[in-house]
Amino acid sequence: QQQVKQSPQSLIVQKGGISIINCAYENTAFDYFPWYQQFPGKGPALLIAIRPDVSEKKEGRFTISFNKSAKQFSLHIMDSQPGDSATYFCAARVTGGGNKLTFGTGTQLKVEL
Amino acid sequence: NAGVTQTPKFQVLKTGQSMTLQCAQDMNHNSMYWYRQDPGMGLRLIYYSASEGTTDKGEVPNGYNVSRLNKREFSLRLESAAPSQTSVYFCASLGGIRGGYNSPLHFGNGTRLTVT
Repeated sequence: QQQVKQSPQSLIVQKGGISIINCAYENTAFDYFPWYQQFPGKGPALLIAIRPDVSEKKEGRFTISFNKSAKQFSLHIMDSQPGDSATYFCAARVTGGGNKLTFGTGTQLKVEL
Repeated sequence: NAGVTQTPKFQVLKTGQSMTLQCAQDMNHNSMYWYRQDPGMGLRLIYYSASEGTTDKGEVPNGYNVSRLNKREFSLRLESAAPSQTSVYFCASLGGIRGGYNSPLHFGNGTRLTVT
């Protein structure tokens, strides 16, 4: 039972293009929504995160859009670069109770020249 | 700072063998976690320890045991390995002043385990 559904599974984008990854959740108790980036052979690392009381958060070329009523959030990577090629995971957490993160299934992004 | 250190990096086991995956963090974090990563399934929580002296089951605990040896170390044990436990295992710790809201998970670089 996947509490956080992520799509697409894989994505190929041309250099300079926009990469968009989508996630949806069911548990309305989630109150923290991070995105993690993982390079081959490494552990995931926090990329950007958002709280449900804001609709958008931007850090450099990375933007999270959050739609509380639809229970959806997405990651947009502007001006995608080959160095952005990695696996991206959305996640959600209920604060307290061990602060456990529930992850999506991951999106493998490849940015081509 | 080394962050989160996992050993070994690679391991091959035969069905029925046992082993312990080691994890240590040097960030003085209270909470530690074990995840497994499988293709198409993302990261799934096996066990976690909210603080020294406590451990709790996650989403997929069957076939595993854990020990929070002290604040720094959190080990994962496979008592009788099965092919279904072939996976990449990640240990993580949770930082921040209160270890809560907005605190990022810090991951190790994983242990790639194959059970034949």
